Amino acid sequence: SQQGEEDPQALSIQEGENATMNCSYKTSINNLQWYRQNSGRGLVHLILIRSNEREKHSGRLRVTLDTSKKSSSLLITASRAADTASYFCATDGDDYKLSFGAGTTVTVRA
Amino acid sequence: DAGVTQSPTHLIKTRGQQVTLRCSPKSGHDTVSWYQQALGQGPQFIFQYYEEEERQRGNFPDRFSGHQFPNYSSELNVNALLLGDSALYLCASTRGPGGTDTQYFGPGTRLTVL
Repeated sequence: SQQGEEDPQALSIQEGENATMNCSYKTSINNLQWYRQNSGRGLVHLILIRSNEREKHSGRLRVTLDTSKKSSSLLITASRAADTASYFCATDGDDYKLSFGAGTTVTVRA
Repeated sequence: DAGVTQSPTHLIKTRGQQVTLRCSPKSGHDTVSWYQQALGQGPQFIFQYYEEEERQRGNFPDRFSGHQFPNYSSELNVNALLLGDSALYLCASTRGPGGTDTQYFGPGTRLTVL
């Protein structure tokens, strides 16, 4: 079974719009990471947020973490066609293995 | 600086056969983890190797085994292949087994079992 669960499953937006996706998890974590995957290829690391952090930015990406609600969100601002991909959140607990959700598929329309 | 590399890129096998997949970690990394990603799903943790030993294992049968070499590279072996083993196999590397650092993934090996 998978620890994380992304919402929505799919998202379609116009180029230039913002995209927001959420991740919920079940057990306590050390870190939460977001990854991008293009067309079933390898995962590209986007951002890592530690359990004692609440918000983190990287370029057009903004990640928030609410450990009391066991949830995280990923915001992509000013989306581009190249942002079309599947996005996964991954959590690690005391066993340090990464547990992934099923992902959010984002389509950016030109 | 080379990232994580995997070989082969694609592989086609028949049921009952055995397969070996290979992974070279990112420079400076000593821990390798393997994941299986079925179509439309997120990756599932198979096992992790550190100091040439299997440190953690996910919910996979003994048909899945691995090895880590002194240069930190790793192999994933799957015996008695089943149709359900068809998936993208991903290798990830990091520094140390503690998991507090980012895990970097390779491009994956697409295995098709006929």
